[in-house]
Amino acid sequence: GENVEQHPSTLSVQEGDSAVIKCTYSDSASNYFPWYKQELGKRPQLIIDIRSNVGEKKDQRIAVTLNKTAKHFSLHITETQPEDSAVYFCAARSGPGNKLVFGAGTILRVKS
Amino acid sequence: SAVISQKPSRDICQRGTSLTIQCQVDSQVTMMFWYRQQPGQSLTLIATANQGSEATYESGFVIDKFPISRPNLTFSTLTVSNMSPEDSSIYLCSVGTASPSGNTIYFGEGSWLTVV
Repeated sequence: GENVEQHPSTLSVQEGDSAVIKCTYSDSASNYFPWYKQELGKRPQLIIDIRSNVGEKKDQRIAVTLNKTAKHFSLHITETQPEDSAVYFCAARSGPGNKLVFGAGTILRVKS
Repeated sequence: SAVISQKPSRDICQRGTSLTIQCQVDSQVTMMFWYRQQPGQSLTLIATANQGSEATYESGFVIDKFPISRPNLTFSTLTVSNMSPEDSSIYLCSVGTASPSGNTIYFGEGSWLTVV
């Protein structure tokens, strides 16, 4: 089955700097890669996603890139702000049933 | 995106008891899932809730421990049976909604269970 690895497990950046979180997946049939942000005590919120027919997608300060050959995808946050501090999860979907397999998560701390 | 409501939002349960979590969606959805998030951990799929038939469980999860119902396209329940402290987790209902580019997965608010 699908296996998703996520790095780093924790990331501290200064406010205004960029943050990059990387994920690799094992199943070449995976075709959908969402990113979720989870603030303390809250549900995971979808922040951006990318499908396998696209290499890059951007939404304001957030972008995701996908390299299907290397089977990895990355989340890029520019001009980080303290409210970006949260746990970020990547996920990959493959096979029948639309099931998502999640990475272990990255704790992002933005220091002001 | 769909509005996904879960009840209860939070509960403290005695070990050995069972608790049923409800998930209500404001529109008909074909895909409904139940996830577990143990403290400080990632999300793990428990099962896919199938409308009108038995749920499809992931490895490590069994129907006797986590019975699931899905009587229609907007509602599902997950029961956590014979609870132990190891069952203390967030239980999340998830749905897939169709869009022109494909299906997108959203989560309910979660049910935070503490077993004492």
